[in-house]
Amino acid sequence: AQTVTQSQPEMSVQEAETVTLSCTYDTSESDYYLFWYKQPPSRQMILVIRQEAYKQQNATENRFSVNFQKAAKSFSLKISDSQLGDAAMYFCAYRSAWDGAQKLVFGQGTRLTINP
Amino acid sequence: DARVTQTPRHKVTEMGQEVTMRCQPILGHNTVFWYRQTMMQGLELLAYFRNRAPLDDSGMPKDRFSAEMPDATLATLKIQPSEPRDSAVYFCASGLGHDGNTEAFFGQGTRLTVV
Repeated sequence: AQTVTQSQPEMSVQEAETVTLSCTYDTSESDYYLFWYKQPPSRQMILVIRQEAYKQQNATENRFSVNFQKAAKSFSLKISDSQLGDAAMYFCAYRSAWDGAQKLVFGQGTRLTINP
Repeated sequence: DARVTQTPRHKVTEMGQEVTMRCQPILGHNTVFWYRQTMMQGLELLAYFRNRAPLDDSGMPKDRFSAEMPDATLATLKIQPSEPRDSAVYFCASGLGHDGNTEAFFGQGTRLTVV
C-alpha cells in the first residue's frame, strides 16, 4: 500500500517570503500522480497543484511550484511571495495512475502560518 | 459554478442515534468518494462508487456504516448507531473515472459531533 509522509506538522513564514513544505511517499508503482491540497479554515479542500510522475518537468501554478524528485520519492511545495491568504493546512496526496477511480492517499498535513 | 454539495454542514447528535449525511456530486461526474477527517487519523477513504456501484468500502466500519447512491445525483452515508468516536468531518468528493488526468472535487464537509 502507498503511504505519504509530511514531516512538518507546522511551518511559519513572514509575509512576502518563500516557504517550502516537505512531502515524501512510498510506492512500488512507476506511474502515478501527486497533489498538494490546501484546506483553509472554511474546511474546503482546494487543489493547489498536480504533478504527473511521468513528467520530468516540475509543475508550476503562479506562486506555487513543486520540486519532484522521483528517485528520492520526494515532492515538496514551494510558495513564493507568501500572502496572508496562504495560511491553511496543506496536504500532500498520492494517486495511482492505474486506479481509474482517483482514490487519494493523504499525508497528515502541515499547518502553515503567515506572519504579517 | 459546478460544485459538490454536502448537507448538513454541521450535525450534533446523541450516541446511539442514526445519522445520515448527503452529497450531491457535480453533474456528469461518475465517481463519488467519502472521506473522513480526524485529528488522529487525518484523511481516510471510507468508500467510493463508480456509476453508482460501490467499488471499495474497505475503509468503512461495516457494522454501523453504510453508503449508497440511490441515483446519480445523490450519495448518502449513514451511521447507525452513532458513537462518540465517529465525531469527525466527513467529506464527499466527485470526479470522472477512467481519466487519470482529472481531479476530484471536494464538498465542504459535514462536521459530525456525537455526544
